[in-house]
Amino acid sequence: DGGITQSPKYLFRKEGQNVTLSCEQNLNHDAMYWYRQDPGQGLRLIYYSQIVNDFQKGDIAEGYSVSREKKESFPLTVTSAQKNPTAFYLCASGFGELFFGEGSRLTVL
Amino acid sequence: KNQVEQSPQSLIILEGKNCTLQCNYTVSPFSNLRWYKQDTGRGPVSLTIMTFSENTKSNGRYTATLDADTKQSSLHITASQLSDSASYICVVSAEAAGNKLTFGGGTRVLVKP
Repeated sequence: DGGITQSPKYLFRKEGQNVTLSCEQNLNHDAMYWYRQDPGQGLRLIYYSQIVNDFQKGDIAEGYSVSREKKESFPLTVTSAQKNPTAFYLCASGFGELFFGEGSRLTVL
Repeated sequence: KNQVEQSPQSLIILEGKNCTLQCNYTVSPFSNLRWYKQDTGRGPVSLTIMTFSENTKSNGRYTATLDADTKQSSLHITASQLSDSASYICVVSAEAAGNKLTFGGGTRVLVKP
């Protein structure tokens, strides 16, 4: 089935560690996005990529990094520079209509 | 600043009853408005999309309305079911490079038997 796969579903991080969230899509979409969701707030854009080997910062890029080496993959690294990383992270792809993955919940211990 | 405000933040309804969720936006220039349903711990799923010229659009028991003049949209759920318990997110797209999206904070709906 076509769709977006995020992994892991749950992730725990110790302070000072970098962690990488995986996002894979087989929808043949050029554009991919990473959003952060906090309780009671709208989704906030972290990074987006409209084509392979190119990506742009979103509204809250500080403390995060991405790569786009393949059309199907857009991994997000949460670095130790992100001071409040505990959140629900959503990957999406598409243009106009977005298709979302099932999300990854990151908790800092 | 582009903003999307949703109300109420949460509501509880009895199974079989109807409810209406509100979305007010200041996004300009407007391109389209979407309603997404997000089950707890899952990714959002699109319910409807409405462009400037559309006033009403239905998807099963979900009916969305749009008043582009007052910049308001509503999502009406008819004959609610337990499976309607979820967060409903209003998303407005600006007609500009990249069609930037602005997300509302969502309305959490709990349907009780």
